[in-house]
Amino acid sequence: QVQVVESGGGVVQPGGSLRLSCAASGFTFSSYGMSWVRQAPGKGLEWVAFIRYDGSNKYYADSVKGRFTISRDNSKNTLYLQMNSLRVEDTAVYYCAKEYLRRLDYWGQGTLVTVSS
Amino acid sequence: DIQMTQSPSTLSASVGDRVTITCRASQSISSWLAWYQQKPGKAPKLLIYKASTLQSGVPSRFSGSGSGTEFTLTISSLQPDDFATYYCQQYSSYLYSFGQGTNLEIK
Repeated sequence: QVQVVESGGGVVQPGGSLRLSCAASGFTFSSYGMSWVRQAPGKGLEWVAFIRYDGSNKYYADSVKGRFTISRDNSKNTLYLQMNSLRVEDTAVYYCAKEYLRRLDYWGQGTLVTVSS
Repeated sequence: DIQMTQSPSTLSASVGDRVTITCRASQSISSWLAWYQQKPGKAPKLLIYKASTLQSGVPSRFSGSGSGTEFTLTISSLQPDDFATYYCQQYSSYLYSFGQGTNLEIK
C-alpha cells in the first residue's frame, strides 16, 4: 500500500538549518509529483513547496522562497526539504504528500520542526 | 496568489444533521478544488477533488459542488466520525493554497 514517511524534524535555533526526508513506498515514486505542507501548532494547513515527478520544476510559497529547497532522489524513492535561515514562525508539523493529477491523495504522519532559542 | 476563504470557521451540529461548508476563491479556479478532512493529531485525508468527485472509499454522504469562485462541501447526515476540521484547497495554479479551515464540532 502507498506509504510516505517523514523524518528529520527536531529542535533548531533561529538562523539554523535542517533537512527533512520523506521515504516513499507502495507506488512508482518517479511518476508522481510531491509536495510539502506544514501546519503550525493550532493553526491551519499551509502549502510549502511542490516538485514535479522528474524534478524539472519546483514551486515555493512566498513565505519560504529563497530559504527552502525541495528536491528528490528517484533512485532512492525519497523526497527532501532543505530548510535554511529558519525562523521561529517556521515551527510546524511538516507533511509530505503524494500528488495525483495535482490533488494530494496520500499524506505522511508528519515530522515536527521547532525553531527556538 | 489565490486566496481561499472558508465559512464558517466553526460549525456546531448534531448527529443526523445536514451541514454545508462554503469555500470562496479570490479568482476563478474553474473546478480545481479539493476538500480534506483532518482529525486531531492526524494527517489530512482527501475527500473530494475536482470540486465534486468523491475520492475512493469516502462515504457517499459527502458531496461537493461549485465552480469558478464559490464551492460547497455538504455532509448529508452527520455521523459521529465526521466531527473534524475541513479544509478546501485550490490547485488551479502550482502555488497551491488552503482555506483557513472549518471546525465541525458536536452541538
